[in-house]
Amino acid sequence: QVQLVESGGGVVQPGRSLRLSCAASGFTFSSYGMHWVRQAPGKGLEWVAVIWYDGTNKYYADSVKGRFTISRDNSKNTLYLQMNSLRAEDTAVYYCARDQSRQYMDVWGKGTTVIVPS
Amino acid sequence: DIPMTQSPSSLSASVGDRVTITCRASQSISTYLNWYQHKPGKAPKLLIYAASSLQSGVPSRFSGSGSGTDFTLTINSLQPEDFATYFCQQTYSTPTWTFGQGTKVEIK
Repeated sequence: QVQLVESGGGVVQPGRSLRLSCAASGFTFSSYGMHWVRQAPGKGLEWVAVIWYDGTNKYYADSVKGRFTISRDNSKNTLYLQMNSLRAEDTAVYYCARDQSRQYMDVWGKGTTVIVPS
Repeated sequence: DIPMTQSPSSLSASVGDRVTITCRASQSISTYLNWYQHKPGKAPKLLIYAASSLQSGVPSRFSGSGSGTDFTLTINSLQPEDFATYFCQQTYSTPTWTFGQGTKVEIK
């Protein structure tokens, strides 16, 4: 079935880096744009980044611009989020989600947790 | 960015109740509005897209309405599995997206 599985979360010190992965299965990964969305403790959902189906375009939320990089490997059906210069406010559950024509996100993973101690 | 304001932030309801959640955009977003359901530890689930279109597999007790700046998610005859947090999302300002702050539906 259609599935997204995130991995790579953990506890990381401020200023350090972490790379998240999202493994896709059950659909033609290379045909879809993909998003990262996060939820900080006690907060709502925050869109983080999007990458077009072929990797040609990438967009970021202002809160992560210049620090995070979204990428994908269509040969491995995998989406990535490289997070550098991490801050306490980046502590959150990070979800990957499939894009439908830039109109909605129709498939989501269960998330991976990133903790950056203050 | 287009801020989205949901109300209420939480509500208590009983099984069988009709529940209404509202979402307001800071400017007109036509019908570029989606609703998601989120339970702790689970993947968020798309319920409604384009303001009123029911996602495949979602029970018909869920419905959405509205256009411009004001939108509504209605759950008719609340079921035990509907206790969750609901988020609206605007996709008018593609390629950036914003969510409402969420509405937690709790058991009365």
